Amino acid sequence: GNSVTQMEGPVTLSEEAFLTINCTYTATGYPSLFWYVQYPGEGLQLLLKATKADDKGSNKGFEATYRKETTSFHLEKGSVQVSDSAVYFCALRGYSSASKIIFGSGTRLSIRP
Amino acid sequence: EAGVVQSPRYKIIEKKQPVAFWCNPISGHNTLYWYLQNLGQGPELLIRYENEEAVDDSQLPKDRFSAERLKGVDSTLKIQPAELGDSAVYLCASSVSTAGSSYNEQFFGPGTRLTVL
Repeated sequence: GNSVTQMEGPVTLSEEAFLTINCTYTATGYPSLFWYVQYPGEGLQLLLKATKADDKGSNKGFEATYRKETTSFHLEKGSVQVSDSAVYFCALRGYSSASKIIFGSGTRLSIRP
Repeated sequence: EAGVVQSPRYKIIEKKQPVAFWCNPISGHNTLYWYLQNLGQGPELLIRYENEEAVDDSQLPKDRFSAERLKGVDSTLKIQPAELGDSAVYLCASSVSTAGSSYNEQFFGPGTRLTVL
């Protein structure tokens, strides 16, 4: 079945550091890929998505590229801020619109001032 | 525009007691989801409604869990009786499902944190 594996946290970085959170997936066909973010006390929010191979999703300075050859969708940001502290979830959805979203276990990111 | 509303935000009960969670989706969203999120894990789908019809409840433990979405708007998720292992965050999400679309963004509520003692 479909699954998502993301790097375990917590990840602690200094402000303005470069961020990478690794995510790999297992799926049949051509899934859509997502990164969700959960800020303290809030619900999950869609951060970015990519629906086909080589697509690059981007939002708020974050980027992730759909790599079918390596089945990966790593999240990157060139210069993190304290406000980026949150839990980040990688997720996929099968090709069918009826497919459910499969989430990874989440990576907690903490940014030091 | 108001987001997905859930109540209560926190609930503490003793095992074997019943508990209910309420969700009000974003106005106009015809699809509603209930997810279970265990500590340190990602959300897992329990049930999905299209309007008032439950179209995917394969992961809902039907011996103790039940859900309803009367009139295709608000929804209630119930556990009776609760067990220690039910301690988790219960998330509600909603989306607009349109024919022919491969993806419709889900908007999540803040969740209800349940503690069973």
